[in-house]
Amino acid sequence: DAGVTQSPTHLIKTRGQQVTLRCSPKSGHDTVSWYQQALGQGPQFIFQYYEEEERQRGNFPDRFSGHQFPNYSSELNVNALLLGDSALYLCASSLGDRVTQYFGPGTRLTVL
Amino acid sequence: QQQVKQSPQSLIVQKGGISIINCAYENTAFDYFPWYQQFPGKGPALLIAIRPDVSEKKEGRFTISFNKSAKQFSLHIMDSQPGDSATYFCAASKDSGAGSYQLTFGKGTKLSVIP
Repeated sequence: DAGVTQSPTHLIKTRGQQVTLRCSPKSGHDTVSWYQQALGQGPQFIFQYYEEEERQRGNFPDRFSGHQFPNYSSELNVNALLLGDSALYLCASSLGDRVTQYFGPGTRLTVL
Repeated sequence: QQQVKQSPQSLIVQKGGISIINCAYENTAFDYFPWYQQFPGKGPALLIAIRPDVSEKKEGRFTISFNKSAKQFSLHIMDSQPGDSATYFCAASKDSGAGSYQLTFGKGTKLSVIP
């Protein structure tokens, strides 16, 4: 039973560029949430996708956008990258209105 | 505004000892309280979780104690082992509508278990 997978593992970008991160949920899950984890901090909620719609959003600017595909996989897009966007980006999956979330290994984004 | 406060920031425990990590929350609408374990370079892994209708939940060496009136909960790791050395996060969640839950995390506790 495959868990949550994310790609790429690591990514280096420069300020002002755009980046796309990808996530495949755990088998049988249909809901994907994205979190940003700065170094030495707890994860912070970015947004959640369910039925290909953004269902809930945290306190992040519009530069952060996402998408969910019919197979439940998801993308996180960040435009106009800032140095402060350097972080570990985590994807978590869950089933419908179930509260339990399972995390992937994350994508380490470095903005230079 | 930090909705979930976690302490201590770091903890050193002897092998075989008890590790205790505490969390306090502010929003009484929270109704689900999980603990996650994270190793360097990895994503958080769910350890154990509790609902506010019970005061304690035990799974193996891990126990959550919950005090609803004080708005506090804690993780106890019995017989701590070097393999338990990791960062532990408490979190809290509530239904934000239409079955949508987001996790609010504490800042984490770095546990080191020394032989």
